Amino acid sequence: GNSVTQMEGPVTLSEEAFLTINCTYTATGYPSLFWYVQYPGEGLQLLLKATKADDKGSNKGFEATYRKETTSFHLEKGSVQVSDSAVYFCALSGGSNYKLTFGKGTLLTVNP
Amino acid sequence: NAGVTQTPKFQVLKTGQSMTLQCAQDMNHNSMYWYRQDPGMGLRLIYYSASEGTTDKGEVPNGYNVSRLNKREFSLRLESAAPSQTSVYFCASRTEGDYEQYFGPGTRLTVT
Repeated sequence: GNSVTQMEGPVTLSEEAFLTINCTYTATGYPSLFWYVQYPGEGLQLLLKATKADDKGSNKGFEATYRKETTSFHLEKGSVQVSDSAVYFCALSGGSNYKLTFGKGTLLTVNP
Repeated sequence: NAGVTQTPKFQVLKTGQSMTLQCAQDMNHNSMYWYRQDPGMGLRLIYYSASEGTTDKGEVPNGYNVSRLNKREFSLRLESAAPSQTSVYFCASRTEGDYEQYFGPGTRLTVT
């Protein structure tokens, strides 16, 4: 079955530092890949997505590239802000039922 | 346009009590989902509904029932709550032909 493995946290960075959160997946066929973000006390929001190999998703300074050869979708941001503090989830969707499979989440804390 | 709404936001139950978590969406989406979020586990799918009148089990359906009352509403019922059901519950919906899911703000349930 489908599975997602993402880097365990928590991750603590200083403002303006470079961020990478690793995500690898196992899936049959050609899944779509997502990063969702959950701010404290809120539900999940879609951050970015990629639907086919070599696609790059980007939003709010975050980027991730769909790498089929390494089955990876790592999240990066060049300069994090305090407001980026949140839990980040990598997820995939594949097959006819469109269900999402989530990683366990990575807590990011950015200090001023 | 409220998106996905959930009630209640918080609930405390005693073991053996029953309750229904309500979810509604105003985006005219066909598919709706119920997830539970537990520390270190990510989000796990409980039940989903691909369209009005249909429901299917997800990864962790035991102890839950669902009703797709109409296109807008999808409720989750705990018939006899157990401490293992202490969790944060999220409802989500999805439009036809798109993999992205839109999430509600969640219900934090504690069973003592």
